Amino acid sequence: DIVMTQTPLTSPVTLGQPASISCSSSESLVYSDGNTYLSWFHQRPGQPPRLLIYKISTRFSGVPDRFSGSGAGTDFTLKISRVETEDVGVYFCMQAKQFPYTFGQGTKLEI
Amino acid sequence: DVQLVESGGGLVQPGGSLRLSCAASGFSFSSHWMTWVRQAPGKGLEWVANVKEDGGEEYYLDSVNGRFTISRDNAKRSLYLQMDSLRVEDTAVYYCARGMNPHNWGQGTLVIVSS
Repeated sequence: DIVMTQTPLTSPVTLGQPASISCSSSESLVYSDGNTYLSWFHQRPGQPPRLLIYKISTRFSGVPDRFSGSGAGTDFTLKISRVETEDVGVYFCMQAKQFPYTFGQGTKLEI
Repeated sequence: DVQLVESGGGLVQPGGSLRLSCAASGFSFSSHWMTWVRQAPGKGLEWVANVKEDGGEEYYLDSVNGRFTISRDNAKRSLYLQMDSLRVEDTAVYYCARGMNPHNWGQGTLVIVSS
């Protein structure tokens, strides 16, 4: 199974300041079709997760452009350009290159 | 708008069975893979199973393979998860999601396995 490792596990942030979360995979997430199936999800307390970014850097419908994704191969980053109150919660990365799909442990963003 | 509504959760004894359902609306259900993901209380996310658009392919987490069965009824726009031989460690909120790579998620249904 592909192991996904996120750092940090907790991230204190300041409103209006940038934030960054890293995710690394135990093997390359590049699929045979050339795409890299790495996604980011955000979960607020008591809510289901919602998709933010897929295929490393494509923002899902309705996701604000202050969220961006980057990386390649085995190392990936989610960046928030200016943190807002609604951004608190837990962020998860996930690989969909091969079954079983696996998630990172989650990074809690705290203001 | 895409809507996914799970039902069927509840309290069950170890070794028992439950069938979860997910009613879909707001998108072409028969054109999308569907996914179940679970989250144990206070824990992270765990992918459980996927089913292809026509139901012809299924994939499972090793720990549920042989005990859980994912299925779908495209005419009813519904996704199912039959869970047999339930274990205490299956206790979780179970989410239904659209897509192989989950794009839209339901609110979840809580399954508690306890004696």
